[in-house]
Amino acid sequence: GENVEQHPSTLSVQEGDSAVIKCTYSDSASNYFPWYKQELGKRPQLIIDIRSNVGEKKDQRIAVTLNKTAKHFSLHITETQPEDSAVYFCAASISYGGSQGNLIFGKGTKLSVKP
Amino acid sequence: NAGVTQTPKFQVLKTGQSMTLQCAQDMNHNSMYWYRQDPGMGLRLIYYSASEGTTDKGEVPNGYNVSRLNKREFSLRLESAAPSQTSVYFCASSSRGWSGVGANVLTFGAGSRLTVL
Repeated sequence: GENVEQHPSTLSVQEGDSAVIKCTYSDSASNYFPWYKQELGKRPQLIIDIRSNVGEKKDQRIAVTLNKTAKHFSLHITETQPEDSAVYFCAASISYGGSQGNLIFGKGTKLSVKP
Repeated sequence: NAGVTQTPKFQVLKTGQSMTLQCAQDMNHNSMYWYRQDPGMGLRLIYYSASEGTTDKGEVPNGYNVSRLNKREFSLRLESAAPSQTSVYFCASSSRGWSGVGANVLTFGAGSRLTVL
Protein backbone atom coordinates (compact mmCIF):
# COMPACT_ATOMS: atom_id res chain seq x y z
CA GLY A 1 0.00 0.00 0.00
CA GLU A 2 0.86 3.66 -0.12
CA ASN A 3 3.46 5.02 2.30
CA VAL A 4 4.08 8.72 2.87
CA GLU A 5 7.29 9.97 4.46
CA GLN A 6 7.46 13.55 5.76
CA HIS A 7 10.52 15.64 6.74
CA PRO A 8 11.51 17.34 8.90
CA SER A 9 9.54 16.34 11.98
CA THR A 10 10.23 19.74 13.57
CA LEU A 11 11.14 23.05 11.97
CA SER A 12 11.92 26.35 13.63
CA VAL A 13 12.21 29.59 11.63
CA GLN A 14 12.38 33.30 12.33
CA GLU A 15 9.36 35.40 11.47
CA GLY A 16 9.63 36.55 7.86
CA ASP A 17 11.76 33.60 6.76
CA SER A 18 10.56 30.86 4.44
CA ALA A 19 9.71 27.31 5.51
CA VAL A 20 9.79 24.18 3.37
CA ILE A 21 8.33 20.79 4.28
CA LYS A 22 8.95 17.79 2.06
CA CYS A 23 7.06 14.54 1.52
CA THR A 24 7.72 11.46 -0.54
CA TYR A 25 5.20 8.82 -1.55
CA SER A 26 5.67 5.24 -2.64
CA ASP A 27 2.78 4.48 -5.00
CA SER A 28 3.24 6.02 -8.44
CA ALA A 29 -0.53 5.75 -8.98
CA SER A 30 -1.19 8.40 -6.30
CA ASN A 31 -2.63 11.50 -7.90
CA TYR A 32 -4.01 13.74 -5.15
CA PHE A 33 -1.80 15.47 -2.59
CA PRO A 34 -3.36 17.68 0.09
CA TRP A 35 -1.78 19.53 3.01
CA TYR A 36 -3.55 19.92 6.34
CA LYS A 37 -2.70 22.37 9.11
CA GLN A 38 -3.45 21.58 12.75
CA GLU A 39 -3.12 24.35 15.30
CA LEU A 40 -2.55 23.37 18.91
CA GLY A 41 -5.63 21.70 20.35
CA LYS A 42 -7.61 22.14 17.14
CA ARG A 43 -8.77 19.91 14.32
CA PRO A 44 -6.77 19.46 11.07
CA GLN A 45 -7.92 21.69 8.23
CA LEU A 46 -7.07 21.63 4.53
CA ILE A 47 -4.87 24.54 3.48
CA ILE A 48 -3.91 23.58 -0.08
CA ASP A 49 -3.97 20.60 -2.39
CA ILE A 50 -2.58 19.61 -5.78
CA ARG A 51 -3.43 17.01 -8.35
CA SER A 52 -0.94 15.08 -10.43
CA ASN A 53 -1.73 16.96 -13.65
CA VAL A 54 -0.33 20.15 -12.10
CA GLY A 55 3.28 20.83 -11.10
CA GLU A 56 2.75 23.80 -8.81
CA LYS A 57 -0.08 25.61 -7.07
CA LYS A 58 0.00 28.85 -5.10
CA ASP A 59 -2.37 30.49 -2.66
CA GLN A 60 -1.03 33.76 -1.27
CA ARG A 61 1.95 32.88 0.95
CA ILE A 62 1.71 29.13 0.53
CA ALA A 63 2.61 26.98 -2.46
CA VAL A 64 2.88 23.29 -3.18
CA THR A 65 5.15 21.73 -5.79
CA LEU A 66 4.93 18.19 -7.15
CA ASN A 67 7.62 16.10 -8.84
CA LYS A 68 5.91 12.96 -10.13
CA THR A 69 9.11 11.44 -11.47
CA ALA A 70 10.81 11.60 -8.09
CA LYS A 71 7.52 10.95 -6.23
CA HIS A 72 7.85 13.87 -3.90
CA PHE A 73 5.93 17.03 -3.13
CA SER A 74 6.69 20.02 -0.96
CA LEU A 75 4.92 22.79 0.94
CA HIS A 76 6.48 26.23 0.80
CA ILE A 77 5.47 29.02 3.17
CA THR A 78 6.95 32.45 2.51
CA GLU A 79 7.12 35.43 4.85
CA THR A 80 6.23 33.26 7.82
CA GLN A 81 4.17 34.73 10.66
CA PRO A 82 3.63 33.52 14.23
CA GLU A 83 0.15 32.32 13.28
CA ASP A 84 1.77 29.85 10.87
CA SER A 85 3.00 27.92 13.92
CA ALA A 86 1.20 24.56 13.79
CA VAL A 87 1.62 20.93 12.81
CA TYR A 88 1.42 20.36 9.07
CA PHE A 89 0.46 17.02 7.54
CA CYS A 90 0.94 15.95 3.95
CA ALA A 91 -1.15 13.16 2.46
CA ALA A 92 -1.59 11.19 -0.74
CA SER A 93 -4.38 9.24 -2.33
CA ILE A 94 -5.29 7.48 -5.54
CA SER A 95 -8.40 8.12 -7.55
CA TYR A 96 -9.95 5.37 -9.59
CA GLY A 97 -12.96 5.80 -11.75
CA GLY A 98 -14.87 8.73 -10.30
CA SER A 99 -13.88 8.05 -6.72
CA GLN A 100 -10.99 9.19 -4.55
CA GLY A 101 -9.22 6.61 -2.39
CA ASN A 102 -8.40 7.00 1.27
CA LEU A 103 -5.84 9.61 2.29
CA ILE A 104 -2.59 8.26 3.71
CA PHE A 105 -0.97 10.87 5.94
CA GLY A 106 2.64 11.63 6.74
CA LYS A 107 3.64 11.82 10.40
CA GLY A 108 3.55 15.59 10.53
CA THR A 109 5.92 18.54 10.86
CA LYS A 110 5.75 20.85 13.84
CA LEU A 111 6.54 24.35 12.58
CA SER A 112 7.49 27.03 15.09
CA VAL A 113 7.78 30.64 13.92
CA LYS A 114 9.76 32.80 16.33
CA PRO A 115 8.83 36.48 16.52
CA ASN B 1 -24.35 24.25 9.91
CA ALA B 2 -22.35 22.42 12.58
CA GLY B 3 -20.11 20.40 10.20
CA VAL B 4 -18.82 17.29 11.99
CA THR B 5 -19.79 16.81 15.62
CA GLN B 6 -18.27 14.11 17.79
CA THR B 7 -18.88 13.15 21.40
CA PRO B 8 -17.58 12.88 24.02
CA LYS B 9 -14.70 15.37 23.99
CA PHE B 10 -12.92 13.64 26.85
CA GLN B 11 -13.22 10.17 28.36
CA VAL B 12 -11.24 8.17 30.90
CA LEU B 13 -11.68 4.41 30.91
CA LYS B 14 -10.27 1.53 32.87
CA THR B 15 -8.69 -1.38 31.02
CA GLY B 16 -11.40 -3.74 29.83
CA GLN B 17 -14.22 -1.23 29.83
CA SER B 18 -16.18 -0.52 26.67
CA MET B 19 -17.36 2.72 25.13
CA THR B 20 -18.71 4.21 21.93
CA LEU B 21 -17.59 7.41 20.27
CA GLN B 22 -20.37 9.10 18.35
CA CYS B 23 -20.01 11.17 15.19
CA ALA B 24 -22.55 13.04 13.08
CA GLN B 25 -22.20 15.27 10.02
CA ASP B 26 -24.73 17.62 8.47
CA MET B 27 -23.00 18.26 5.13
CA ASN B 28 -24.70 15.42 3.23
CA HIS B 29 -21.31 13.76 2.75
CA ASN B 30 -21.42 10.15 1.65
CA SER B 31 -18.12 9.08 3.24
CA MET B 32 -17.08 9.05 6.89
CA TYR B 33 -13.87 8.09 8.66
CA TRP B 34 -12.35 7.46 12.07
CA TYR B 35 -8.70 8.38 12.61
CA ARG B 36 -6.50 8.19 15.67
CA GLN B 37 -3.69 10.65 16.34
CA ASP B 38 -0.71 9.73 18.47
CA PRO B 39 2.42 11.84 19.06
CA GLY B 40 4.88 11.39 16.20
CA MET B 41 2.57 8.99 14.36
CA GLY B 42 0.41 11.33 12.35
CA LEU B 43 -3.19 10.50 11.52
CA ARG B 44 -3.89 6.81 11.08
CA LEU B 45 -7.12 5.51 9.60
CA ILE B 46 -8.99 3.05 11.80
CA TYR B 47 -12.16 2.40 9.80
CA TYR B 48 -14.05 4.15 7.07
CA SER B 49 -17.44 4.06 5.43
CA ALA B 50 -17.28 4.98 1.76
CA SER B 51 -21.05 5.17 1.55
CA GLU B 52 -24.09 4.45 3.67
CA GLY B 53 -24.35 0.72 4.30
CA THR B 54 -20.66 -0.07 3.87
CA THR B 55 -17.72 -0.13 6.27
CA ASP B 56 -14.12 -1.15 5.73
CA LYS B 57 -10.93 -1.53 7.73
CA GLY B 58 -8.24 1.08 7.54
CA GLU B 59 -4.63 0.90 8.65
CA VAL B 60 -5.15 0.13 12.36
CA PRO B 61 -8.56 -1.58 12.87
CA ASN B 62 -7.67 -4.08 15.62
CA GLY B 63 -9.63 -3.57 18.83
CA TYR B 64 -12.32 -1.41 17.21
CA ASN B 65 -15.71 -1.84 15.59
CA VAL B 66 -17.81 0.67 13.69
CA SER B 67 -21.42 1.21 12.71
CA ARG B 68 -22.71 3.44 9.94
CA LEU B 69 -26.11 4.08 11.47
CA ASN B 70 -27.38 6.23 8.59
CA LYS B 71 -25.90 8.74 6.16
CA ARG B 72 -25.26 11.25 8.96
CA GLU B 73 -23.89 9.08 11.75
CA PHE B 74 -20.83 6.86 12.14
CA SER B 75 -19.88 5.43 15.52
CA LEU B 76 -16.66 3.84 16.78
CA ARG B 77 -16.80 1.22 19.53
CA LEU B 78 -14.06 -0.06 21.80
CA GLU B 79 -15.31 -3.38 23.19
CA SER B 80 -12.49 -3.94 25.70
CA ALA B 81 -10.30 -0.88 26.05
CA ALA B 82 -6.53 -1.26 26.36
CA PRO B 83 -3.89 1.32 27.38
CA SER B 84 -2.58 1.19 23.78
CA GLN B 85 -5.85 2.78 22.71
CA THR B 86 -5.08 5.96 24.64
CA SER B 87 -5.19 8.53 21.86
CA VAL B 88 -7.02 11.44 20.31
CA TYR B 89 -9.73 10.22 17.96
CA PHE B 90 -10.97 12.26 15.03
CA CYS B 91 -14.06 11.64 12.98
CA ALA B 92 -14.10 13.08 9.47
CA SER B 93 -16.36 13.17 6.46
CA SER B 94 -15.97 13.86 2.74
CA SER B 95 -17.87 13.87 -0.52
CA ARG B 96 -15.81 10.98 -1.86
CA GLY B 97 -17.24 9.43 -4.97
CA TRP B 98 -17.26 12.77 -6.73
CA SER B 99 -14.23 13.66 -8.81
CA GLY B 100 -14.86 17.38 -8.96
CA VAL B 101 -13.24 20.19 -6.99
CA GLY B 102 -13.35 19.36 -3.32
CA ALA B 103 -13.48 15.61 -3.81
CA ASN B 104 -12.17 13.82 -0.77
CA VAL B 105 -11.47 17.02 1.15
CA LEU B 106 -11.81 15.86 4.72
CA THR B 107 -13.79 17.87 7.24
CA PHE B 108 -12.74 16.84 10.73
CA GLY B 109 -14.58 16.90 14.01
CA ALA B 110 -13.05 18.57 17.06
CA GLY B 111 -11.57 15.34 18.40
CA SER B 112 -12.14 13.06 21.37
CA ARG B 113 -9.34 12.55 23.87
CA LEU B 114 -9.48 9.05 25.32
CA THR B 115 -7.33 7.84 28.19
CA VAL B 116 -7.28 4.17 29.16
CA LEU B 117 -5.81 3.43 32.57
